[in-house]
Amino acid sequence: KNEVEQSPQNLTAQEGEFITINCSYSVGISALHWLQQHPGGGIVSLFMLSSGKKKHGRLIATINIQEKHSSLHITASHPRDSAVYICAVRPGVLGATNKLIFGTGTLLAVQP
Amino acid sequence: DTEVTQTPKHLVMGMTNKKSLKCEQHMGHRAMYWYKQKAKKPPELMFVYSYEKLSINESVPSRFSPECPNSSLLNLHLHALQPEDSALYLCASSPGQGPESTQYFGPGTRLTVL
Repeated sequence: KNEVEQSPQNLTAQEGEFITINCSYSVGISALHWLQQHPGGGIVSLFMLSSGKKKHGRLIATINIQEKHSSLHITASHPRDSAVYICAVRPGVLGATNKLIFGTGTLLAVQP
Repeated sequence: DTEVTQTPKHLVMGMTNKKSLKCEQHMGHRAMYWYKQKAKKPPELMFVYSYEKLSINESVPSRFSPECPNSSLLNLHLHALQPEDSALYLCASSPGQGPESTQYFGPGTRLTVL
C-alpha cells in the first residue's frame, strides 16, 4: 500500500463543474504539496500546506492533519485545467530534509 | 527570475554515449534535486544537493553522476545508459531543506536511450 493515496485516479468533468481530488497519507508529515503536470511537461507547484486552507484563483486546497487527508478543489473548471494533479508529502517533523513522497496522481480531463 | 531552467529539452543517446543534463536557477535557492519520471508514474527522487554538497543519493546506479559546480547550477552526467533509463528527468530547487521550503520544478529533459 502506498504511503500517499489519491482518488480518483482518473476524472472526466464538463466545463464549469466543481471538481474535488482527494489525498490520504499514512505517515506523519511536516507539509503537503499539490502539484500540476500537463502532458509531457514539467511540474508546477500549486500549493504547500501544513494546516488549514489555501486559495489561489479558482483553486482551493484544504488539509486535515488529524485525519491525514487533503483535498484539492477546482471551481468553474475549464479545459485548460486538464492535467495530472499530484499530491506529495514531506514526512517527518520540523528540521527533516525536503524529501517528498508522491502520490500516483489524478488525471483530470475537462471537456468543453 | 522565478524559474528553474533545464537543457536540453529532448535528448536521444546511444548506450555508449556520454552526455550531460543541465539545470539552472537564479532564485538563490540552496537545495537542488534530480528526479526521474517514467510515463504515467510519479517522480522518483534521485539526488539532493544542499549548499552544493550531495546530501541524498537514493541508491542511483553509478552510470548517473551528479555535479553541483556552484549554487545556481546542477548537472547530471550520463554514461553507458540502458534503454530502461529513458524517462523525463526533472530538476527542482528550494530555498532550503526546511519543511516550509516549496520545491520549484523545471520543465524536464525528455531522455531516450537507444
